[in-house]
Amino acid sequence: DVKVTQSSRYLVKRTGEKVFLECVQDMDHENMFWYRQDPGLGLRLIYFSYDVKMKEKGDIPEGYSVSREKKERFSLILESASTNQTSMYLCASSFGTANEQYFGPGTRLTVT
Amino acid sequence: GENVEQHPSTLSVQEGDSAVIKCTYSDSASNYFPWYKQELGKGPQLIIDIRSNVGEKKDQRIAVTLNKTAKHFSLHITETQPEDSAVYFCAASKSGGGADGLTFGKGTHLIIQP
Repeated sequence: DVKVTQSSRYLVKRTGEKVFLECVQDMDHENMFWYRQDPGLGLRLIYFSYDVKMKEKGDIPEGYSVSREKKERFSLILESASTNQTSMYLCASSFGTANEQYFGPGTRLTVT
Repeated sequence: GENVEQHPSTLSVQEGDSAVIKCTYSDSASNYFPWYKQELGKGPQLIIDIRSNVGEKKDQRIAVTLNKTAKHFSLHITETQPEDSAVYFCAASKSGGGADGLTFGKGTHLIIQP
């Protein structure tokens, strides 16, 4: 079974802090994704990566950056957290160009 | 970019009845349409998907239909059961879903009444 794990289920940070959200997949998938999920808005794509050290902006990249130094790990970075970044963050991975995305359980981030 | 509209936002049906959730998309280049189910406290999980070269696909009690001309696709669940209660998301992609991000609808909260 594909397993996508996220470093924390719940996280509370203060405004202005630098925040790292980590995601690890164990199935040698090339592609990894970060989404945020907000009530009434569905899931929105922040960034994705199709190879180590490669990254592509999604629909809402502002305020975020990413890092992919190893194939299995994809990190989302909030350089200076703000209250409007309070959300559920979901990581996903996929293999190849025409296959399903597998999601992790999510990290609920609260910025106070 | 792509825009996916999903209706209804909440759907309540009696156990054993059918449920239908509808989505429309804006980009005629989209060619991959998955449906995800999200249970409380979990990440979304793929339940069925359809590609633009097929009009209908079925998997036991779940079916998806696609009308490329009208740019809409629907999820049909028959003989609903309590474990079908969840939030369902439709999505669309131009690249087959694997190497590119998905554009999601806003979700439908399906409630199965006993």
